[in-house]
Amino acid sequence: QVTLKESGPVLVNPTETLTLTCSVSGFSLSNTGLGVGWFRQPPGKALEWLAHIFSNDEKSYSASLKSRLTISKDTSKSQVVLTMTNMDPVDTATYYCARIIKTGTFRGYFNYWGQGTLVTVSS
Amino acid sequence: DIVMTQSPDSLAVSLGERATINCKSSQSVLYSSNNKNYLAWYQQKPGQPPKLLIYWASTRESGVPDRFSGSGSGTEFTLTISSLQAEDVAVYYCQQYFGPLTFGGGTKVEIK
Repeated sequence: QVTLKESGPVLVNPTETLTLTCSVSGFSLSNTGLGVGWFRQPPGKALEWLAHIFSNDEKSYSASLKSRLTISKDTSKSQVVLTMTNMDPVDTATYYCARIIKTGTFRGYFNYWGQGTLVTVSS
Repeated sequence: DIVMTQSPDSLAVSLGERATINCKSSQSVLYSSNNKNYLAWYQQKPGQPPKLLIYWASTRESGVPDRFSGSGSGTEFTLTISSLQAEDVAVYYCQQYFGPLTFGGGTKVEIK
């Protein structure tokens, strides 16, 4: 059974760095053709893809947020970590991680999702 | 980046009737070497994460009811719910994975 679970702070101060962890089970982060991605969704708004990482350590980032994002994985811990620097109140959103099926270099679709974690940016 | 435009933004359909959602890409997502359209559809019910419905534009994910179908090629795609059920109330998103990943803005489906 594939599961993903997001964890991290509920509240972040403006200008701080957000660190989110996605813990996965039911598959390995070393499985060829699989990976994990991160998304966010501000309240009442559309889904936004942020980044993803594949088993071969291939990484891809949203062009609009690339300068603020870093994605990494710890295969032994079955965890994928996303950091986002210089947080702002507009970054308040539910953050999701999801498993990606690799369909080509840097590309794929997402077939399992975590429940999400709400992050509020406020002083 | 490829821009995905969905229409309509919302629609209300009677139970048992057909719902049709459109998705248009700013450039073709058909890869000529394998003749596959790099497009997926997701369903997001209120308070829940998205769920994969369709990939490769028309392949239904395991466990998805057959009232959901995807069609189209190149730059124009459609998600059809053949007979709307109450549990289908949700926002539906298209996503292309031909280039850097992008999503449509979503279409909200409600009961009339």
